Amino acid sequence: DVVMTQSPLSLPVTLGQPASISCRSSQSLVHSDGNTYLSWFQQRPGQSPRRLIYKVSNRDSGVPDRFSGSESGTDFTLKISRVEAEDVGVYYCMQGTHWPRTFGQGTKVEIK
Amino acid sequence: EVQLVETGGGLIQPGGSLRLSCAASGFTVSSDYMSWVRQAPGKGLEWISVVYSGGSTYHVDSVKGRFTISRDTSKNMLYLQMNSLRAEDTAVYYCAKGGMDVWGKGTTVTVSS
Repeated sequence: DVVMTQSPLSLPVTLGQPASISCRSSQSLVHSDGNTYLSWFQQRPGQSPRRLIYKVSNRDSGVPDRFSGSESGTDFTLKISRVEAEDVGVYYCMQGTHWPRTFGQGTKVEIK
Repeated sequence: EVQLVETGGGLIQPGGSLRLSCAASGFTVSSDYMSWVRQAPGKGLEWISVVYSGGSTYHVDSVKGRFTISRDTSKNMLYLQMNSLRAEDTAVYYCAKGGMDVWGKGTTVTVSS
């Protein structure tokens, strides 16, 4: 199975400041169709996960543009340009290229 | 509006069986692949099962032989039949559409004597 490793696991941030979460995959996520299926999910306290980003850098409908995704080989990054109070929660990366689908351990974002 | 609603969770003894249901609206369950994902208390997300649009299925090793995913296109429903339940199956179970762009609110399964 593909192992997804996130860092950091805990991220205290100041309101209005940027934040960055890393995710590394144990193998290439480039699908045979040429796409890279790496998604990011946000799970606010007490809520279901919500997909923010798909195929590395595409924002889902309704996701604020302060969220962005990027890649460098098997390293992927989720960036929040200016953290707001509603961004508190746990963020997960997930690879959608190989079966079984696998998630990172999660990164807990909290306000300092 | 595309929506998923899970039901069927509850308290069950070890070794027991339970069937979870997921009612879909706003799309047809056969139009895309459908997954079950679970989250143990205080833990992360674990994908466990998928049914492809063509009907074939796949389960993660930890549930293979015990859990069975299925769908009923006439009712637009997704199911997860869970047998030989263990304490480590205790979790919130979510159904999710396709590339997981839509999730339900989840249903809680507690396996305990």
